This record gives sequence, C-alpha cells and structure tokens, in this order.
Amino acid sequence: AAGVIQSPRHLIKEKRETATLKCYPIPRHDTVYWYQQGPGQDPQFLISFYEKMQSDKGSIPDRFSAQQFSDYHSELNMSSLELGDSALYFCASSTGQRSSYEQYFGPGTRLTVT
Amino acid sequence: AQSVAQPEDQVNVAEGNPLTVKCTYSVSGNPYLFWYVQYPNRGLQFLLKYITGDNLVKGSYGFEAEFNKSQTSFHLKKPSALVSDSALYFCAVRDHGPNSGYSTLTFGKGTMLLVSP
Repeated sequence: AAGVIQSPRHLIKEKRETATLKCYPIPRHDTVYWYQQGPGQDPQFLISFYEKMQSDKGSIPDRFSAQQFSDYHSELNMSSLELGDSALYFCASSTGQRSSYEQYFGPGTRLTVT
Repeated sequence: AQSVAQPEDQVNVAEGNPLTVKCTYSVSGNPYLFWYVQYPNRGLQFLLKYITGDNLVKGSYGFEAEFNKSQTSFHLKKPSALVSDSALYFCAVRDHGPNSGYSTLTFGKGTMLLVSP
C-alpha cells in the first residue's frame, strides 16, 4: 500500500539559511499534519491542513510557514534557520480531520543545522 | 487541555513473556486513544486505536490495548514478546469535546521497550 512520502530524507543547512520540506500524503487523504521531533523527544504538532486550508496551528515558529497545494501535497518552509531547528520533521496524513481518524506518518526528514 | 503520561521511560522483558507498556491520559471530553511504534530512524507506525465500543482493542503485530475509563488508562499489551518488538512506543490522545469534531494529537514522552533473547 502507498505510504506518506517525504523529501528530502536528509538535509543539512547552515544557520540563517532556508529549507523547504515536502510531503506527499497517501492517495485520497485530504488532511496533512506536520510534526517536529527533537532528539529523545516526543513529536510536537506544528500545523495541519484540511482540504488545502489551514485547520490547526501548534507550536510552529513564525519563521516557518506551510501550505497545502491543489494535489494535496504540502510544503513546510523554514527560514532563518537556527541550531535548535535541528530535528526530525514528520508529515502525517489522514482521510479527514476528525479526531477518530488515525494519522499515517511518513519516514521523516532529518534536518541538521550547522 | 489534553495530556498523556507514560510513566516508564523503559520496559525490559524477556522474549516469550507478556509485556505491558503503560499509558494514562487526561482530556476534557471523550478520548480517542492511539498507540504508535517507532523504530530507529523511522517514522511512527500506527498500531491500534480506541474510539468507542469494546474496551479491549486489538491491533497490528499481536498487540492489544485495554481502555479503562475509571482509571483513565490505555495500557498496551502483548501476550508473548518478540525481540523484534524492541522499539519506542508512543501513546497519543485526541479530545472529542462537545463543541469540536477534531483536535490535535498529543503524544506521551514515549517508552522504550527492550526485549531480550
């Protein structure tokens, strides 16, 4: 079965640079979520989209922005990168935004900021 | 606000023995509860969920979880552990309060399960 696809899998950037992470949800999934997982931490919710509209916002820094496109893929744009942004960034998708729906996670993008 | 507690950072069990990974939750409304497993350098894999109905939920790879409303718990169990079950396990909750149909997914801190041969 098709899974959530994230690209790139690994990314190395320097401080103050920008980065763009991409997420392709499971086909027919219309809801996308972004999470940040620091080393040894639990995933922290950043932002979500339902039918191409932002549906919820978590602890996403103002330096970050995201959007969902007409084909339902999503991009997380990160600017003025800081060392503390080094983390594993997960995208997840579901068939809708209802709380009862499980989220399916991608393999993650490991971002290292030097 | 919703929260999840996983009181054990690590659980050690011998292969073939039963395992339990504990989880308690706090929500203002009715809880939707999930278990995910994470292998090293991998994404989270969905194991099972409780929405409503039977308190004992069966999931992937022989795992099951028991919802206990009075104790606000949702412990993950497996009758016979395998070495390949060694991984990081996350309990998560979403609130379905009276005025919302959805909410964000909140994770516990995770419990590392180590199954020895």
